[in-house]
Amino acid sequence: DSGVTQTPKHLITATGQRVTLRCSPRSGDLSVYWYQQSLDQGLQFLIQYYNGEERAKGNILERFSAQQFPDLHSELNLSSLELGDSALYFCASSEGPGYSYEQYFGPGTRLTVT
Amino acid sequence: AQKITQTQPGMFVQEKEAVTLDCTYDTSDPSYGLFWYKQPSSGEMIFLIYQGSYDQQNATEGRYSLNFQKARKSANLVISASQLGDSAMYFCAMREVIQGAQKLVFGQGTRLTINP
Repeated sequence: DSGVTQTPKHLITATGQRVTLRCSPRSGDLSVYWYQQSLDQGLQFLIQYYNGEERAKGNILERFSAQQFPDLHSELNLSSLELGDSALYFCASSEGPGYSYEQYFGPGTRLTVT
Repeated sequence: AQKITQTQPGMFVQEKEAVTLDCTYDTSDPSYGLFWYKQPSSGEMIFLIYQGSYDQQNATEGRYSLNFQKARKSANLVISASQLGDSAMYFCAMREVIQGAQKLVFGQGTRLTINP
């Protein structure tokens, strides 16, 4: 158990809908990262937050947004969902913004868009 | 941009044998970090081992060791005395730092199957 929690574990929704994925980092970690794992794209970095502020952005679509709250939990919002958004979404956390070398991954949220 | 290449889509190994999973990387940054993660069928990503670009010795963690050859830009994972529970996907990743923020760039993975 990495100490990172993600809810829900599974999510099934229809095209055009909006969903919110939630992540709680390990106790003491200030950075949260979101990754998407799909069959065709592999594992891709989406976005990073550190202590409530966006720090780095990867291949995140404009339909997706994220935020980190004062209690350090983070939410990833996916809107206007398409079939291709079906994937495993991981949250990871680390102690620092860039120099802490280990990211701890949560169990993931499996999103299925039908 | 940094790139990670894992050339073995799948590997089959007999239980108790040692196995080497290949990883090559491409970067122009003098400071970088290399990671290996294990992803069993349940889906979670499990950190295995880390190697920093300035580390003088190859990293080891129990049955896992990293064969780091800097000049060849390779960071192969060696699993000694493989066990049935080692069957999983294995991902090599590199830390990329952008303006003080880090992200991981992953390879495509190698699916390892341990046969009894």
